[in-house]
Amino acid sequence: KAGVTQTPRYLIKTRGQQVTLSCSPISGHRSVSWYQQTPGQGLQFLFEYFSETQRNKGNFPGRFSGRQFSNSRSEMNVSTLELGDSALYLCASSAGLAGFPYEQYFGPGTRLTVT
Amino acid sequence: TQLLEQSPQFLSIQEGENLTVYCNSSSVFSSLQWYRQEPGEGPVLLVTVVTGGEVKKLKRLTFQFGDARKDSSLHITAAQPGDTGLYLCKGAQKLVFGQGTRLTINP
Repeated sequence: KAGVTQTPRYLIKTRGQQVTLSCSPISGHRSVSWYQQTPGQGLQFLFEYFSETQRNKGNFPGRFSGRQFSNSRSEMNVSTLELGDSALYLCASSAGLAGFPYEQYFGPGTRLTVT
Repeated sequence: TQLLEQSPQFLSIQEGENLTVYCNSSSVFSSLQWYRQEPGEGPVLLVTVVTGGEVKKLKRLTFQFGDARKDSSLHITAAQPGDTGLYLCKGAQKLVFGQGTRLTINP
């Protein structure tokens, strides 16, 4: 079974630009979660999508948004980039079924650098 | 918000030594998970513990879930350089991770 894939792996953008990151979950998984990881803040939860609907949301500004498609693939978008948005963005795939532990399977991440 | 506190934040020991890291919360969890993240990669699920008092072993790693299901520990026996990484715990029904313990095993 193929793992979680994220594209691109590395990205350099300039302040004020916007960026779109993509995630393809494990086949059959309906939940996709996004995390931002920085050395200072650790792994911070952005949002979770399940069957094309946002099911949970972290405490990030509205510049961060996402969506999920009918094939469970997900994208996240960051608009008006700031220097502080430089981070590793991780996508996690899960069956996401209620009543079962959220065993999440992570992709390798997208390293975003904002200059 | 159910906070997970991990300790220590950093740990550097010599190869062959034993160590224990902790994950604590004031809240009860129905189950809890441990992940390990190596540089340049995403976290990898190591184990899910479900029952209070449960002990699970994964080779030299021993995971324990507290009786009250509010805390967990990870014990590594005879640590090896390959154990180096960031160890993260998570309440299984939640999407929030602890801050992690960064472990370095020196040859």
